[in-house]
Amino acid sequence: EDKVVQSPLSLVVHEGDTVTLNCSYEVTNFRSLLWYKQEKKAPTFLFMLTSSGIEKKSGRLSSILDKKELFSILNITATQTGDSAVYLCAVGTGTASKLTFGTGTRLQVTL
Amino acid sequence: GAVVSQHPSRVICKSGTSVKIECRSLDFQATTMFWYRQFPKQSLMLMATSNEGSKATYEQGVEKDKFLINHASLTLSTLTVTSAHPEDSSFYICSSRWGKETQYFGPGTRLLVL
Repeated sequence: EDKVVQSPLSLVVHEGDTVTLNCSYEVTNFRSLLWYKQEKKAPTFLFMLTSSGIEKKSGRLSSILDKKELFSILNITATQTGDSAVYLCAVGTGTASKLTFGTGTRLQVTL
Repeated sequence: GAVVSQHPSRVICKSGTSVKIECRSLDFQATTMFWYRQFPKQSLMLMATSNEGSKATYEQGVEKDKFLINHASLTLSTLTVTSAHPEDSSFYICSSRWGKETQYFGPGTRLLVL
């Protein structure tokens, strides 16, 4: 059974801090790893990673994948209160690229 | 990101009735769409893969006769919850696959069965 584990489960930081969210996986027929941000409604897409060692960056967010060690990290620098959300990691497998989601990391950024 | 819409956003129904949820891919044609459900404070669980022009593929434990999926066109997939019961109350989210890997999600439909 495919498994995606995220840590920590929840995190409270002060505005301006840097955070690192972790995602490890055990799946068959890996195709991709995706990060999403979920606020009150459905997840919004952040990154898709398929190759090891290549950092993807968007503003204050960045992510990297290690296919040998089977994990990915999502970094957020200079956090803002608007970053408060649940961050979901999902792994795509098989020809249909079905996504298996982790339980998410709930991030709260306080003033 | 791409736009995927869902309708309705919220529905309340009586036990025993059927509810249809529509998912539309507005920015691109999607041969493959997915349906998920999410319980409070839990992650998304894949229910089924919806393939345009063919039968949906259901995940283990999901009753295909209860959750009817129709993907009649490249931009529309529908999920019908038949004979809904209170335990079917959940947040139902669809997604459209763009390219080979990326999925864009709709805003979700919150179903409450009384």
